[in-house]
Amino acid sequence: DAGVTQSPTHLIKTRGQHVTLRCSPISGHKSVSWYQQVLGQGPQFIFQYYEKEERGRGNFPDRFSARQFPNYSSELNVNALLLGDSALYLCASRRNDLPSSYEQYFGPGTRLTVT
Amino acid sequence: AQTVTQSQPEMSVQEAETVTLSCTYDTSESDYYLFWYKQPPSRQMILVIRQEAYKQQNATENRFSVNFQKAAKSFSLKISDSQLGDAAMYFCAYAGNNRKLIWGLGTSLAVNP
Repeated sequence: DAGVTQSPTHLIKTRGQHVTLRCSPISGHKSVSWYQQVLGQGPQFIFQYYEKEERGRGNFPDRFSARQFPNYSSELNVNALLLGDSALYLCASRRNDLPSSYEQYFGPGTRLTVT
Repeated sequence: AQTVTQSQPEMSVQEAETVTLSCTYDTSESDYYLFWYKQPPSRQMILVIRQEAYKQQNATENRFSVNFQKAAKSFSLKISDSQLGDAAMYFCAYAGNNRKLIWGLGTSLAVNP
């Protein structure tokens, strides 16, 4: 079975632009989470979605938004890009939203560079 | 709020030797999970080992084992018979009731031949 996939792998954008990152979870997984990892730091939680509904949101500005589609894939959108948005964006999936489903599987990430 | 602390920014170990990475956490929850993830230069985050807080027995996965001290809120990772491929960033992570992962800052492990 395929693991979590993310696209694109790398992306270069200019300040003020908009970006859309995409994630496909492992087959059968219905929950997707997004994390931002700035170089030299641990990941920071951005969003969690389950069954197309937002189930959690981290401390990020409204410029960050996300959605989940009926096939459980997800998009992360960032508007009005700032230099500080340069980071590795990680997507993780897990089977469901039940307490027993605690293990998350990560994709390879999208490296976003804002110039 | 929950926090995760990794006090060792960098560690090194000789090939075939044993190394222990430290992690402490703070929480008021009674039901939670702890994880060690490995992130090699390829940047893919890989789950190394997990521990359920309600289990007293320390988790073991081949050469990787943990020392889970719930009262002390300590969760260290021991790597035995270190291999060159073990060189990576290691992150300790906590997941509570909301299953949102809270991460430490990481420990960079170098393995010397």
